Order: sequence, then C-alpha cells, then structure tokens
Amino acid sequence: GAVVSQHPSWVICKSGTSVKIECRSLDFQATTMFWYRQFPKQSLMLMATSNEGSKATYEQGVEKDKFLINHASLTLSTLTVTSAHPEDSSFYICSADQRVRGNEQFFGPGTRLTVL
Amino acid sequence: KNEVEQSPQNLTAQEGEFITINCSYSVGISALHWLQQHPGGGIVSLFMLSSGKKKHGRLIATINIQEKHSSLHITASHPRDSAVYICAVRSGGTASKLTFGTGTRLQVTL
Repeated sequence: GAVVSQHPSWVICKSGTSVKIECRSLDFQATTMFWYRQFPKQSLMLMATSNEGSKATYEQGVEKDKFLINHASLTLSTLTVTSAHPEDSSFYICSADQRVRGNEQFFGPGTRLTVL
Repeated sequence: KNEVEQSPQNLTAQEGEFITINCSYSVGISALHWLQQHPGGGIVSLFMLSSGKKKHGRLIATINIQEKHSSLHITASHPRDSAVYICAVRSGGTASKLTFGTGTRLQVTL
C-alpha cells in the first residue's frame, strides 16, 4: 500500500518553543492531507484539512494561529505548533488522501510531542 | 449519540478464537474504513469498503449499507492481533473527511 511518513517520530521541547512536524507521502501525490490529534485512550480528533497550494481548513475549536499548517507540495504538509505549552502534549497523526484509489486514506506513524 | 458506534469497547480472546467487531453509523456514507492501531501508536488502514465484503488474509470486513452496519472479523486470532480497531466513515460525495468510532481494544492471549 501507499506509504506516509512523519518526522520526527517523537519530540520533547520546552514550553514556549515552536515545533514543526512533517508529513510526507512517499510514493504518491496527495492533494489533501489531514492532521489529527489523539489523547491517550481516545479516538482521533481531526484538527485541520490541508490542501496543496491553498489555506488549510481548521475544525471548530482549533486555533489556526497556534497550529500552522503548510501544504507546499503534493507530497509534503507541515504542522507547526507555535509557542507550545504542556497542554499541547499529544500524539499528532497525519493522513494523506490517495485519490487514484478512490480517496483511500493512508496514515502516518504519528509524532509524540511532549512539552515540558 | 455518536455518529459512529463500535462494539464491544473492549474484547479479550484466546488465541485461535474467531473475533467479530461491530460498527454502526447513523449518517449516509460513501465509504467505511477499518483501521488498526498498535500500542506504539501508528495506524494501518485495513480496509476501505462501500459495499459487500472484502478479505485480506485472516481479516474479513463486511458492510450492509441498508442497515448502516459493518463488521470486522478476525479468524484464528493471534496475540499479534492485539490492537485497537477503529471504524471510520466518510460521508457523502468525494470529501475525504472521516468520522471515527471510539475504537475496540482487542487483547488476544495465549
């Protein structure tokens, strides 16, 4: 199946710093990528939908100035957590839309963010 | 009431048992996904289906559009099948936004 990678797989940062997470579709072009957040033992929560070459669409309650999303190419989307705080500590997962295969979504392995 | 309901929430089985996980949804959908999440966190897409039945190895997924219900079956379960299984639906048109169930935590013991 199609492969989606995320980098880094885990990151620890100090409160107040910014962290960038990359999501790449390795063997297909993804016009749409999705960013999710997952708290322990809870389901995925969609944060935003990222379309190549346009502004991301954020879900209600998600601060767009806090979670900056850039989808600069058909294979790369980035999520930047700005001025991170301990409550931003979470597991962040991206997925990419494989339209050639009927909009099947492929998920990245996730990034665990810990803010001290 | 959630748009996507899964049952059971937790399931413990012995190796070799036949396992069924159920998913019911209340909205019109264009496709339903079954996902697997291991303790490390990574998510694997097992199936995407919009009708009928799909089989991959020991896994079988079925969907009944009229009844708004899908099942995931695991035959000859193995401890490595231990994971959280998540049902997710895509509603209407070509939009890809998914609505997730809360997951079923499966533990297969020796």
